[in-house]
Amino acid sequence: GENVEQHPSTLSVQEGDSAVIKCTYSDSASNYFPWYKQELGKRPQLIIDIRSNVGEKKDQRIAVTLNKTAKHFSLHITETQPEDSAVYFCAASIGGGADGLTFGKGTHLIIQP
Amino acid sequence: DAGITQSPRHKVTETGTPVTLRCHQTENHRYMYWYRQDPGHGLRLIHYSYGVKDTDKGEVSDGYSVSRSKTEDFLLTLESATSSQTSVYFCAISGGQGTQPQHFGDGTRLSIL
Repeated sequence: GENVEQHPSTLSVQEGDSAVIKCTYSDSASNYFPWYKQELGKRPQLIIDIRSNVGEKKDQRIAVTLNKTAKHFSLHITETQPEDSAVYFCAASIGGGADGLTFGKGTHLIIQP
Repeated sequence: DAGITQSPRHKVTETGTPVTLRCHQTENHRYMYWYRQDPGHGLRLIHYSYGVKDTDKGEVSDGYSVSRSKTEDFLLTLESATSSQTSVYFCAISGGQGTQPQHFGDGTRLSIL
């Protein structure tokens, strides 16, 4: 089955700087890659997603890039703010998301004031 | 927020007892999912459903069963709970392949003593 590796497990950045979280996946048939943000004690919330026919997607301060050849995708957060502090999860799916997601183990992003 | 209600929100029970968790949605979505979240493991798929009475196993299905008799309800049952099933359980829903992403409920914290 699919395996998703996520790095780093903890990332500390200064407020206003950029943060980058990287994920690799094992199954070349994967075609859907969402990113979730989870605050302590809360539900995971979708922040951005990308499908395999697209190389990059942006939404305000958040962007995701996908390299299908290398089987990796990354989350980029610019101009980080205190409210960006959370755990971020990447995920991959073969069936466009319908048959369930395989998640990475998460990155704890800490924004230093 | 997606109309997803999980019940109960918290439960403490003893090893060997049966436990049923309920996920109720008001979005009329076709797909529903059960995940468990444990420290160091991220979220892992237990079972999912692609329609009434249509279900399939996920990555960590041993010890769990599911049922979906109505579009809006997806039940997760632990026939004989074990301490290794202590976890936070999340339900998610989706409109389907290539259409809508998965959105999560607030979770059920289950402790098995």
